[in-house]
Amino acid sequence: SQQGEEDPQALSIQEGENATMNCSYKTSINNLQWYRQNSGRGLVHLILIRSNEREKHSGRLRVTLDTSKKSSSLLITASRAADTASYFCATDAGGSYIPTFGRGTSLIVHP
Amino acid sequence: DTAVSQTPKYLVTQMGNDKSIKCEQNLGHDTMYWYKQDSKKFLKIMFSYNNKELIINETVPNRFSPKSPDKAHLNLHINSLELGDSAVYFCASSPEDGRSYEQYFGPGTRLTVT
Repeated sequence: SQQGEEDPQALSIQEGENATMNCSYKTSINNLQWYRQNSGRGLVHLILIRSNEREKHSGRLRVTLDTSKKSSSLLITASRAADTASYFCATDAGGSYIPTFGRGTSLIVHP
Repeated sequence: DTAVSQTPKYLVTQMGNDKSIKCEQNLGHDTMYWYKQDSKKFLKIMFSYNNKELIINETVPNRFSPKSPDKAHLNLHINSLELGDSAVYFCASSPEDGRSYEQYFGPGTRLTVT
């Protein structure tokens, strides 16, 4: 299965701290995406990183991709209580560009 | 304007009943999906439609039947509901740019079968 696995399953930090979540996958990919899901809501796309890219930024988000280790990390800097959500990585591979999702990291940011 | 909408948001029904969930997207996307998210938040794809044609049908019981009257709508009909069908069902759509499939999700339908 191409399914990504996020680590840790749960993360609890104080407002202002940085949060780092990791995603590992099993086979070569085309793209890796990160999504956020607030409680009771649908997933929202955050960042897409292609297999030939190593790092991307979007506001307070920084995503890295290490294809040799088959892993990616999502860093949220200067976290806010509003960042409390579940974060999912999704990968696609081969001829299918349809992403397969992991089980997510649950992030709680305490004010 | 809501990009991907689903109705109803909550659905509580008894075992054995038949129910439908509707999905509409106003993004002009060619591809639509249905996902099932279980109580452990695992998100699994069920169906994918491209321009009203089925392109993916994962291992889903025949009791689940998607219907796409046009490329902006993808409805999900479920026959003979079972307890194990209780989950949150998400509709999603994506553009087909030939390189990646960023997904746009609806708000979800929480189905509870009693």
